[in-house]
Amino acid sequence: DIQMTQSPASLSASLEEIVTITCQASQDIGNWLAWYQQKPGKSPQLLIYGATSLADGVPSRFSGSRSGTQYSLKISRLQVEDPGIYYCLQGYSAPLTFGSGTKLEIK
Amino acid sequence: QVQLQQSGAELVKPGTSVKLSCKASGYTFTSNHMNWIKQTTGQGLEWIGIINPGSGGTSYNVKFKGKATLTVDKSSSTAFMQLSSLTPEDSAVYYCARSPRGDWRLDYWGQGVMVTVSS
Repeated sequence: DIQMTQSPASLSASLEEIVTITCQASQDIGNWLAWYQQKPGKSPQLLIYGATSLADGVPSRFSGSRSGTQYSLKISRLQVEDPGIYYCLQGYSAPLTFGSGTKLEIK
Repeated sequence: QVQLQQSGAELVKPGTSVKLSCKASGYTFTSNHMNWIKQTTGQGLEWIGIINPGSGGTSYNVKFKGKATLTVDKSSSTAFMQLSSLTPEDSAVYYCARSPRGDWRLDYWGQGVMVTVSS
């Protein structure tokens, strides 16, 4: 199985700050990477797919990038509605595998 | 709009089975694959498997083979997952999630259903 190593495990940032979360794939997965946001008691919501494409309705302050087998999710200006747990997901090969999650809080 | 409505919470005894449902609406059920995902505090999110509602074809995570069985009822646009020989380790929130036609990403998720296995 492809391992997705996500960091940091938790993060506290101030409003308007830039936030970056990363996932390292254990092998080449191309652009088969998605990012999700999960709020307490809710199901995950798709933010980014294809490593860099913004999902419908997602604010443009969210962006995704790739450098080799390292993938990043950036929130350009942290907003009050952004806290939650963020997960990466690889879809290159079955079984699909998720990162362990990053808990984002407002400082 | 696309909606995936899952059945309610379950409290079940060890050794028994449970069948969860996921009713789809707002799109052509048979044209989009359906995934099932397990979420626990300890193991995080785990992909269980996927079913093609049009053909009934399935693919499972090896970890869940023999544990989960995915089926659909096309007449009611409902996907099902049966979990068998339940143990406390099967206690979790289970989600169904759609993959859009021709794609792998999970774009719409059900609200999740909590399964508690306890005697």
